[in-house]
Amino acid sequence: NAGVTQTPKFQVLKTGQSMTLQCAQDMNHEYMSWYRQDPGMGLRLIHYSVGAGITDQGEVPNGYNVSRSTTEDFPLRLLSAAPSQTSVYFCASTHRGRGYEQYFGPGTRLTVT
Amino acid sequence: AQTVTQSQPEMSVQEAETVTLSCTYDTSESDYYLFWYKQPPSRQMILVIRQEAYKQQNATENRFSVNFQKAAKSFSLKISDSQLGDAAMYFCAYRSAWRNTDKLIFGTGTRLQVFP
Repeated sequence: NAGVTQTPKFQVLKTGQSMTLQCAQDMNHEYMSWYRQDPGMGLRLIHYSVGAGITDQGEVPNGYNVSRSTTEDFPLRLLSAAPSQTSVYFCASTHRGRGYEQYFGPGTRLTVT
Repeated sequence: AQTVTQSQPEMSVQEAETVTLSCTYDTSESDYYLFWYKQPPSRQMILVIRQEAYKQQNATENRFSVNFQKAAKSFSLKISDSQLGDAAMYFCAYRSAWRNTDKLIFGTGTRLQVFP
């Protein structure tokens, strides 16, 4: 199993540009999530999904969109990038059968100039 | 809303010694999960240990153990026989047991340094 994969690993955007961070998992987990990690603030939940076709907002959803058309994929869209969205982004999938253990991807470092 | 607090931004320990990282949380729920995650410089998030709130017995995983005090809402991590590879950021996290959510709430982390 590849686990949770994220692309790209690094990205630089100009203010106002749009882009999609890709996330895929091959473990057949129902639940998937997106977090952002900023210095001194830990990880904060952006959006999550408890199954294909079902998404919900987390703690910091503004400026981000998600969709879940398949169990495997959970892309995160930035519609109009802002410098405040400079961060490291983690995708995760959750194994309900193992006490909701979350498996994290390697992260994407995004810089918005 | 639930919150998780890690009051120690940095800790240090000598190799082979024992160190305890603190975590407190606030919730009105009775059923939940608590986790400790490790993040080395590679930035990969690695699950260290998990505790179900309904279990009174403290979880252990090799050199890692927790002291779970439900009434006090405290969940500390003890690392025994510390190794250089234990140096990392450690995050405490809370998750509701409600199945229709995937919200994991993290503390701000504790940076652990291990000295030879």
